Amino acid sequence: DAGVTQSPTHLIKTRGQQVTLRCSPKSGHDTVSWYQQALGQGPQFIFQYYEEEERQRGNFPDRFSGHQFPNYSSELNVNALLLGDSALYLCASSLAGRVGEQFFGPGTRLTVL
Amino acid sequence: SQQGEEDPQALSIQEGENATMNCSYKTSINNLQWYRQNSGRGLVHLILIRSNEREKHSGRLRVTLDTSKKSSSLLITASRAADTASYFCARISNFGNEKLTFGTGTRLTIIP
Repeated sequence: DAGVTQSPTHLIKTRGQQVTLRCSPKSGHDTVSWYQQALGQGPQFIFQYYEEEERQRGNFPDRFSGHQFPNYSSELNVNALLLGDSALYLCASSLAGRVGEQFFGPGTRLTVL
Repeated sequence: SQQGEEDPQALSIQEGENATMNCSYKTSINNLQWYRQNSGRGLVHLILIRSNEREKHSGRLRVTLDTSKKSSSLLITASRAADTASYFCARISNFGNEKLTFGTGTRLTIIP
């Protein structure tokens, strides 16, 4: 049973560019959440997708957008990259209606130069 | 912004000793969870404690929750070098709201 997978592992972009990160949830899970973790900090909630719609959103600008596909996989898009967007981006999957643990992927390390 | 705080920010102990980390939060919770993170990679779920529970055990881990003080503690007994990692508490506030709000983390180093 595959856990949560994310791609790519590492990514280097320059300011102003756009990036797309991908996540496949754990088998049987239907909800995907995205978190941003700056160096030395705890993860911060970006948004959550369920049934292909954004269900909740954290305090992130509209440059951050996402999508969920019918197979429950998800993408995180960031436009007009800033140096401050450099971080580890974590995807977590869970089962809707079960307020319990979330399963995290290994993350994508994004560096903006 | 972080809604919880772990204390201490960093902790170094000898292998075999016990490690205690504390977490405080500001608003009411549905449940509180502890996660481990090795070398800035993915988070591993350790234990979940619900708001109506006071203590929970899992192997060498013991978690307590005091909702009146809005605090939780994680105890790792008989520490091992492999326990070296960052530990985060994360809370879920409202039922049906599965957003995790993380604290700032405790960096634990086990000295062999």
